[in-house]
Amino acid sequence: RKEVEQDPGPFNVPEGATVAFNCTYSNSASQSFFWYRQDCRKEPKLLMSVYSSGNEDGRFTAQLNRASQYISLLIRDSKLSDSATYLCAVRVGAGTALIFGKGTTLSVSS
Amino acid sequence: EPEVTQTPSHQVTQMGQEVILRCVPISNHLYFYWYRQILGQKVEFLVSFYNNEISEKSEIFDDQFSVERPDGSNFTLKIRSTKLEDSAMYFCASRAGGNQPQHFGDGTRLSIL
Repeated sequence: RKEVEQDPGPFNVPEGATVAFNCTYSNSASQSFFWYRQDCRKEPKLLMSVYSSGNEDGRFTAQLNRASQYISLLIRDSKLSDSATYLCAVRVGAGTALIFGKGTTLSVSS
Repeated sequence: EPEVTQTPSHQVTQMGQEVILRCVPISNHLYFYWYRQILGQKVEFLVSFYNNEISEKSEIFDDQFSVERPDGSNFTLKIRSTKLEDSAMYFCASRAGGNQPQHFGDGTRLSIL
């Protein structure tokens, strides 16, 4: 059973669309959750941490559902520059390593 | 904004040779990490380092690999007897502590011939 799973996509959406990604994790001891963005052949860049109560940063909203063991990312009013791969990352228990999903690819077109 | 820096950006090495990948973490960070990403695959954890010792490592991080913090700024990953399957992007990351997120360097692309 994979530890962190994401729908690989690709999600192809027009500019201005709203798009949502989900991520599921298998270890109930997971404590911290993050969304990273990765452009082609570049490093993961932190998009946002995910808090239990949900949190928003401009056009981006992240939510956590511990009971169902999934996190989500909602992007409103998509821009061309949002085209990238979005990585879900989970930190388990007392460890500090991040476990990454394989990522969901988003392509925003004009 | 402070950032993690990695050198070289691209390393080409013959199979069987040793390579050292270098990283300068963000200066006030306490936790340091190495990850790798084989082309088309997910980012995989290798090792974490805190207080001058390895705090956690994955099954990938076997005797072929070692890490060192030789001075107050550098953090290195050494890969001995490189194999073709070691070809990947290697990312260094650092974290301040607590629940702070990890920040990644822009990676070293390692190509084993």
